[in-house]
Amino acid sequence: AQSVTQLGSHVSVSEGALVLLRCNYSSSVPPYLFWYVQYPNQGLQLLLKYTTGATLVKGINGFEAEFKKSETSFHLTKPSAHMSDAAEYFCAVDSWGKLQFGAGTQVVVTP
Amino acid sequence: DADVTQTPRNRITKTGKRIMLECSQTKGHDRMYWYRQDPGLGLRLIYYSFDVKDINKGEISDGYSVSRQAQAKFSLSLESAIPNQTALYFCATSDPSKDEITQYFGPGTRLTVL
Repeated sequence: AQSVTQLGSHVSVSEGALVLLRCNYSSSVPPYLFWYVQYPNQGLQLLLKYTTGATLVKGINGFEAEFKKSETSFHLTKPSAHMSDAAEYFCAVDSWGKLQFGAGTQVVVTP
Repeated sequence: DADVTQTPRNRITKTGKRIMLECSQTKGHDRMYWYRQDPGLGLRLIYYSFDVKDINKGEISDGYSVSRQAQAKFSLSLESAIPNQTALYFCATSDPSKDEITQYFGPGTRLTVL
């Protein structure tokens, strides 16, 4: 069965600093991987996804993620944090058309 | 207008009451899903439907039932609500046949069971 582990339930970053959110997965088949963001009192919005092809995936709002099969990882990064990046971020793996989510990482951005 | 809508957005109910949460979509997607979100647990799948005649249990279906009334509508029912069903509920849609493996989420329903 597929599973997703997000390291760190809370991350605090300074405005302008690197944002790094870690995601490791287990999957018995080549995975489809996703990062979603949830702003306060809103639903989930897709940031980016990996299906096939290029392992470095660029998403919205300056985020990108790299699929590393050997490390079973799909870490999310953004070079320079903005106050508007404060939100909860979820990594997910597709399991036969269903999503298995990580527990989420809450990002706080400090001035 | 939003592609995936959920009603109500907020609901407070009492233990033992029957409650229905509704989801509608205008994306024309075949697949629909119900998830619940709890702090520290992420989202967990309750039920899913790959087309109008298909209903499947997810990871945490006990205490819930669903109805797929049409391609565009998927309802979640709690026959006898209990306090540990207090959570944020999300509906989602996708359609791999249209090259849409991404799941698109509604705004959520916040349910409180007293």
